[in-house]
Amino acid sequence: QLQLQESGPGLVKPSETLSLTCSVSGGSISSSIYHWAWIRQAPGTGLEWIGSIYYTGSAYYNPSLRSRVTISADTSKNFFSLRLTSVAAADTAVYYCARHRPPFDHWGQGTLVTVSS
Amino acid sequence: ENVLTQSPGTLSLSPGERATLSCRASQSVISNYLAWYQQKPGQAPRLLIYGASSRATGIPDRFSGSGSGTDFTLTISRLEPEDFAVYYCQQYGSSPFTFGPGTKVDIK
Repeated sequence: QLQLQESGPGLVKPSETLSLTCSVSGGSISSSIYHWAWIRQAPGTGLEWIGSIYYTGSAYYNPSLRSRVTISADTSKNFFSLRLTSVAAADTAVYYCARHRPPFDHWGQGTLVTVSS
Repeated sequence: ENVLTQSPGTLSLSPGERATLSCRASQSVISNYLAWYQQKPGQAPRLLIYGASSRATGIPDRFSGSGSGTDFTLTISRLEPEDFAVYYCQQYGSSPFTFGPGTKVDIK
């Protein structure tokens, strides 16, 4: 059974870098069928796709965040990661990782990241 | 980007009633790549429908999707207590992949 688990700091200071990891079990991120994505949800609001990565390492991003986002993957350890630079209060959200078939058919439970000094 | 709007914002119904949720896209959704998700408080979204009308694995047949182009509908034929939640549509035909703002289905 596929499981995704986000991990990383729950609190990040303004202007610093947010870093999260998604560990995948029960399936391989090296599969050529799937992409792997990050999605966020600010408190009480809707969902925003951040970006996705393919097992080849090719990543693509939402233009609204492209200048600040990097998604990478480690196929040997079966996880992928998110880096978001120069964070501000507006980046406070629950961050989800998901398998992207497309669409997003399996999700992690999400992790709340708060941007505050 | 393809902007999605959903209506109504909130739908107040009783168990056993039929729910009809609407999703409208600002541009035609390529290949009708339109999905519906259900989200309950404190949980991640769950995929219900993909390709506008195909049910995801394990989704009961009381959930159905229809539509094409710019207008799509999610129908829940008879609401069960566990169906009261927020529903989001999402298009994955063109990047950036976008979500609608959601429709909350609550108990009347």
